[in-house]
Amino acid sequence: GAVVSQHPSWVICKSGTSVKIECRSLDFQATTMFWYRQFPKQSLMLMATSNEGSKATYEQGVEKDKFLINHASLTLSTLTVTSAHPEDSSFYICSARIGLWNTEAFFGQGTRLTVV
Amino acid sequence: LAKTTQPISMDSYEGQEVNITCSHNNIATNDYITWYQQFPSQGPRFIIQGYKTKVTNEVASLFIPADRKSSTLSLPRVSLSDTAVYYCLVGDPNTGKLIFGQGTTLQVKP
Repeated sequence: GAVVSQHPSWVICKSGTSVKIECRSLDFQATTMFWYRQFPKQSLMLMATSNEGSKATYEQGVEKDKFLINHASLTLSTLTVTSAHPEDSSFYICSARIGLWNTEAFFGQGTRLTVV
Repeated sequence: LAKTTQPISMDSYEGQEVNITCSHNNIATNDYITWYQQFPSQGPRFIIQGYKTKVTNEVASLFIPADRKSSTLSLPRVSLSDTAVYYCLVGDPNTGKLIFGQGTTLQVKP
């Protein structure tokens, strides 16, 4: 099946610094990718929809200036957590579809962010 | 977006068949129903998708009644490695978004 790869798998950063997470569709092109955040023992929460060549669409309550999303090509979307704080520590997951809304969505393996 | 409701947790034993039912009373005409499996510290993995009646693949079956207000994921002869969280999702045909509910934590015991 299609593969979505995230990098890095885990990262530890100091409070106040920024961290970039990459999401790549390895064998297909994705005009739309989705970013999720998941806290321990909780479900995935959709943060934003990343659209190739245009601005991302953020869910209510998600700060667009803090979570910068760039979808520069059909195979790469990046999420940058700016000025990270300990409360931003979480599991971040991206997903992408090959085609229409009713097709299978593929998820990356996730990125564990720890802010110290 | 159609909201989904599932049992929070279920227990089973190895070799048994497990059925997890999901309610989606407000499902729209064009919505598909998709189930995902998630292990700790991993991204969700696609299990099965359907629109109506019954769908079967190599790992599971999905039963959807005529009114489509619920669906049941059936896992035949579960093993310990099937211990995971199972999510039922209803897709938004306008945006393609997948909104996750609380999921069902399945614990398979020896």
